[in-house]
Amino acid sequence: KAGVTQTPRYLIKTRGQQVTLSCSPISGHRSVSWYQQTPGQGLQFLFEYFSETQRNKGNFPGRFSGRQFSNSRSEMNVSTLELGDSALYLCASRQAGGANEAFFGQGTRLTVV
Amino acid sequence: GDSVTQMEGPVTLSEEAFLTINCTYTATGYPSLFWYVQYPGEGLQLLLKATKADDKGSNKGFEATYRKETTSFHLEKGSVQVSDSAVYFCALSDEGRDDKIIFGKGTRLHILP
Repeated sequence: KAGVTQTPRYLIKTRGQQVTLSCSPISGHRSVSWYQQTPGQGLQFLFEYFSETQRNKGNFPGRFSGRQFSNSRSEMNVSTLELGDSALYLCASRQAGGANEAFFGQGTRLTVV
Repeated sequence: GDSVTQMEGPVTLSEEAFLTINCTYTATGYPSLFWYVQYPGEGLQLLLKATKADDKGSNKGFEATYRKETTSFHLEKGSVQVSDSAVYFCALSDEGRDDKIIFGKGTRLHILP
């Protein structure tokens, strides 16, 4: 069974640009969550999508958005990039239900210059 | 809201030492509890989990017991190896609330040969 796939693995963007990151979940998983990981703030929850609907949202500005497609693949978009957006962005998929663990991709390393 | 608190790192131990990483949680319901591990350059992967009080999760020599009375889920290993060097995250998920996974800030572990 293929794992969670995130593309691209590395990205360098300039301040003010926008970026789109992609996540393909494990087959059969309908929940996809996104996290931002930085050395100072740790792992911060961005949002979760379930069956194409945003089910949970973290405390991030509106520049961060996402969507989920009918095949459960998800994208997240960051507009008007700031230097502070430099981070590792992790995607996780899981089956619905609190007892079910999340499976993580390797992440996309975004550097904003 | 629900939260997870784990001990600050880094934790540095010699090989074959006993390891404890403390984790306590706050939740209004009956969450499932998890320990995840992140090796350098990789995403998070599940180490172990417990879904109800007094359950013990175990994997690769690591253990943690779900203690409802002390709201704790401490990670232990009797004899650590250099290959255990990584960042460890405690997490919870409450299906009765919003079902999202909430992570602690992570504890970096260094094992010296």
